[in-house]
Order: sequence, then C-alpha cells, then structure tokens
Amino acid sequence: GENVEQHPSTLSVQEGDSAVIKCTYSDSASNYFPWYKQELGKGPQLIIDIRSNVGEKKDQRIAVTLNKTAKHFSLHITETQPEDSAVYFCAASMADSWGKLQFGAGTQVVVTP
Amino acid sequence: EPEVTQTPSHQVTQMGQEVILRCVPISNHLYFYWYRQILGQKVEFLVSFYNNEISEKSEIFDDQFSVERPDGSNFTLKIRSTKLEDSAMYFCASREAPPEAFFGQGTRLTVV
Repeated sequence: GENVEQHPSTLSVQEGDSAVIKCTYSDSASNYFPWYKQELGKGPQLIIDIRSNVGEKKDQRIAVTLNKTAKHFSLHITETQPEDSAVYFCAASMADSWGKLQFGAGTQVVVTP
Repeated sequence: EPEVTQTPSHQVTQMGQEVILRCVPISNHLYFYWYRQILGQKVEFLVSFYNNEISEKSEIFDDQFSVERPDGSNFTLKIRSTKLEDSAMYFCASREAPPEAFFGQGTRLTVV
C-alpha cells in the first residue's frame, strides 16, 4: 500500500522567514495530495491541496509543488507569522478512494517572533 | 462556515466496555470517514462510508468496530469491547464529490 514519509519532524523558523516541508510517497497511482494544519486541541484543517495534473499551486503565502517523477511534494510557507505555528501533515490518496488518505507523520512548525 | 462536529470531546471508558463516538458531518456531504491517531503516531484511516454502506476499511477496522448512519445527520463509530490499545484520538471526516475532506475536532478516547 501507499507509504508517505515527511521531513523534517520539527522546524523552527524566525518570523518572516520561509518554511519548507517535504514529503515523499511510494505509490505512483496516488494523484491527490492535500496538506493539513493542526493546531492544539483541534482537528486537521485543510490548507491547500494539489492534484497530479499540475505541478504547483499557490494560495497567498502558501504553495505546494509536486514532482510526479520523483514522487515527492512540498509545502512552502513564505513570510511566516506566529499564527503559522502548528503541526502540518501531508497526505496522499488515489482517485478511486480520495478520502482514504495516507498521512505523513507530521511536522511541528514553531515560528519565533 | 459549515463544519464537522464530534461528541464527546473526551471519553474515558473501562476496558471491555462499549463506546459510541458521534459525528455530525457537513450537511450536503456524501462520503464519511473515521480516522484515528494514537499518541505520537500517524493519523490512520479506519473506514469510509458511502450510500449507507462501508466502501472501504483498513486492517485496523476489525469485528470490534462498526459504523452507522442512523439518521440523516449523525455518523457513529462503535467499539464493542474496548482494549487499552484503542486509546487514541478519533477523527471523523466528510466530503462531497470533490476530494477535499474536512475533519472534525476529534474525540480523545482513553481506555483504562
């Protein structure tokens, strides 16, 4: 089955700097890659996603890139702010079972003022 | 903004007891899911539910687990005889036809 690896496990950045989180997946049939943000005491919140027919997607300060050949995708957060501090999860799934997400282990992002 | 709601937020139960975790998915959503996250581990898929039946389940989802949509709004996960290793955060999620899945805030289940 699909296996998603995520790095780093923790990431500390200065406010205003950029943060990059990387994930790899094992099953070339995966074609949907969402990113979730989880704040303390809350459930995962979808922040951005990408499908395999595009290589990059951007939404204000966040962007996701996908390299299907290498089977990896990344989350980029620019101009980080303290409210970006959270755990971020990448995930992958396939078209015939989109909701069956395989999650990465998560990255604890700490943005220091 | 519509959201998935879960109750209770925290459930403590004795080993061997039955528990029911409840979820109210977003009203026009068609697909429903349960996930769990054991402390310090990945979020894991348990089961998907569509058109009033299970469409897919993981190896974790054995005979001790069941799901039900008893009415038009609730979606429940039942664990018949809880074990210590069932202690985890349980998340409900739902989606429409597009792939974007929305998660509830979770129920922390503690089995003692």
